[in-house]
Amino acid sequence: AQTVTQSQPEMSVQEAETVTLSCTYDTSENNYYLFWYKQPPSRQMILVIRQEAYKQQNATENRFSVNFQKAAKSFSLKISDSQLGDTAMYFCAFMKHGGSQGNLIFGKGTKLSVKP
Amino acid sequence: NAGVTQTPKFQVLKTGQSMTLQCAQDMNHNSMYWYRQDPGMGLRLIYYSASEGTTDKGEVPNGYNVSRLNKREFSLRLESAAPSQTSVYFCASSEARAGLRGVLTFGAGSRLTVL
Repeated sequence: AQTVTQSQPEMSVQEAETVTLSCTYDTSENNYYLFWYKQPPSRQMILVIRQEAYKQQNATENRFSVNFQKAAKSFSLKISDSQLGDTAMYFCAFMKHGGSQGNLIFGKGTKLSVKP
Repeated sequence: NAGVTQTPKFQVLKTGQSMTLQCAQDMNHNSMYWYRQDPGMGLRLIYYSASEGTTDKGEVPNGYNVSRLNKREFSLRLESAAPSQTSVYFCASSEARAGLRGVLTFGAGSRLTVL
């Protein structure tokens, strides 16, 4: 069975600075997808970034980028130039390549606070 | 474009009561899902429907039933609510297209308390 571990329950960062959220996972699969989802205080989850395991290049979306280390089974999220609106719970998630499309395994989350 | 709409947003039940959480999406997505979120936990999949007319169990299906009424609507029913079902419930939907696998659009959530 796959597991996803987020070892930082809470983090804080000053506005405009950079912060990195950690995620490790355990799987015997070779092909899979990894995600970071964000849940602001309003509760609605939104996708931040997606990575396909067979792609060596790290995914980026504007100020968000990942460091995907397949051998180490590590998938960290870097947020550059942090903004107050980045305050949220961040969930790392895993999905098998051949499995049901929406069957994501989520970590327990990291609560990020961006301070002015 | 409303996305994924869930009702009700809040509900308090007594142990043994039944209720149905409603979910509708207007994005013409094939697949729909019900997750629950408990304090200190990530989301866990209860049931999913890969397409209209099909439903399958997820990680934590016990105590729940689902109905995929049509392509737009996917309901979650608690037949006899238990305090362990106190949680926030999220409905989500997705397209079955390469490049979008695992990309879910979530509703705003329904907070259920069972006394």
